[in-house]
Amino acid sequence: AQSVTQPDIHITVSEGASLELRCNYSYGATPYLFWYVQSPGQGLQLLLKYFSGDTLVQGIKGFEAEFKRSQSSFNLRKPSVHWSDAAEYFCAVVSTGNQFYFGTGTSLTVIP
Amino acid sequence: GAVVSQHPSWVICKSGTSVKIECRSLDFQATTMFWYRQFPKQSLMLMATSNEGSKATYEQGVEKDKFLINHASLTLSTLTVTSAHPEDSSFYICSAFAGLSNQPQHFGDGTRLSIL
Repeated sequence: AQSVTQPDIHITVSEGASLELRCNYSYGATPYLFWYVQSPGQGLQLLLKYFSGDTLVQGIKGFEAEFKRSQSSFNLRKPSVHWSDAAEYFCAVVSTGNQFYFGTGTSLTVIP
Repeated sequence: GAVVSQHPSWVICKSGTSVKIECRSLDFQATTMFWYRQFPKQSLMLMATSNEGSKATYEQGVEKDKFLINHASLTLSTLTVTSAHPEDSSFYICSAFAGLSNQPQHFGDGTRLSIL
């Protein structure tokens, strides 16, 4: 069965520091993977997606993610965090039935 | 880019009333729309999958008679919370999907439902 695990419930980083949010997935075939961001009281915004090809994908707002099949991971990174990046981040995998399975989310706090 | 409009964004109503939430895809045809419920500090919980012109498929544990879903056209799906009670208070989010598995869902901005 498909599943997504985000091991870190909450992360705090200083503004300007680098960021890595972890995501591990369980899926039998080649996964389609996504990262979404949610600000309080808002819907979800797509940051980036991986379907195939280059395992390092670039997204919006300076984010990138690397697909590592051997580790079943799709970690999200940003070299320098801005205060406006504080939000909830969700990793997701889509099944063959086109259903999205979301991780439990990682809450990011940015310290000035 | 693709936009999904969800309305209303916030609704407060008395216990026992029914509330309708609309989800519209503004610049693409959505073969499938999804309805999620999100509790504070938690992830999205899929409630149901809605395909245009057919009955919605509900996830286990979701009451079909409580949460009525209508997907009358390729650009509109509605969720009606019938006889709402305080325990139905939550954040409801819809998403629209164009039908290709390598495409992301596009999410509405959510509806905050508060039942007094």
